[in-house]
Amino acid sequence: NAGVTQTPKFRVLKTGQSMTLLCAQDMNHEYMYWYRQDPGMGLRLIHYSVGEGTTAKGEVPDGYNVSRLKKQNFLLGLESAAPSQTSVYFCASSRTATGELFFGEGSRLTVL
Amino acid sequence: EDQVTQSPEALRLQEGESSSLNCSYTVSGLRGLFWYRQDPGKGPEFLFTLYSAGEEKEKERLKATLTKKESFLHITAPKPEDSATYLCAGNGYSGGGADGLTFGKGTHLIIQP
Repeated sequence: NAGVTQTPKFRVLKTGQSMTLLCAQDMNHEYMYWYRQDPGMGLRLIHYSVGEGTTAKGEVPDGYNVSRLKKQNFLLGLESAAPSQTSVYFCASSRTATGELFFGEGSRLTVL
Repeated sequence: EDQVTQSPEALRLQEGESSSLNCSYTVSGLRGLFWYRQDPGKGPEFLFTLYSAGEEKEKERLKATLTKKESFLHITAPKPEDSATYLCAGNGYSGGGADGLTFGKGTHLIIQP
C-alpha cells in the first residue's frame, strides 16, 4: 500500500522557470492538500481540494496553482518560480475534513 | 487567529529519562488536537487525535493528554529510536472548509544512548 506518493523528490529551478509537482494517493480520500515547510515555521497550507474537480486557497496561495482532475491526483504548479518558493513541499490526504492527514515524503525544491 | 505554540523547541534526553512536550493552543471551535511525528527527510506521521479536555491516548512509550488550553505528549523511558520532531496541530472551525488545521513549529527531540 503506497499511501501518498510525490514526484519529483528533488528539483532545482532557475528564477522564472515553471514546474509541476505531482501527488497521487491510493486510499480513495476525498480531501487533498499541499503544504510547504520552511525552517523555523510550521507547516503552511498552500491549496487544498475537497473532492475531484474542486480546489480552494489556503494560507499562502500566491504564486501557486493547483488542479484535481482525478480523485487520486493533486497537482501543484509554479508558473514563474521565485527564490522565496525554495522550500520542502508536502502533499497530504484525508478521508474527512477533520480527520488525520496522511503525508507524502516531500519534494525539496530549490529556486536559484 | 488560531495559534499553536510548542515548547521546548528542542529537547535532549538520556535514554530512559522521561519527559513531556507541551502544545499550547488558541483554536476557535476545536475539532481535534493532533500529534504527528516527523523523521528527518520524511513526511509527518500521524500519532494521536484528541477531541475533548480530559481525554488521553497511549501508544507504546507515548501518551497524549488534553486540557482546555494545552496538550502534552509524555514520553516514558524513551529510546534512541524515539528521536524525531514532534508536531502538534489544532483543527478549528473553518466555515465548512477543510483549511482549519494550524500546525505548531515542532519540538526536536534527541534521545542519547
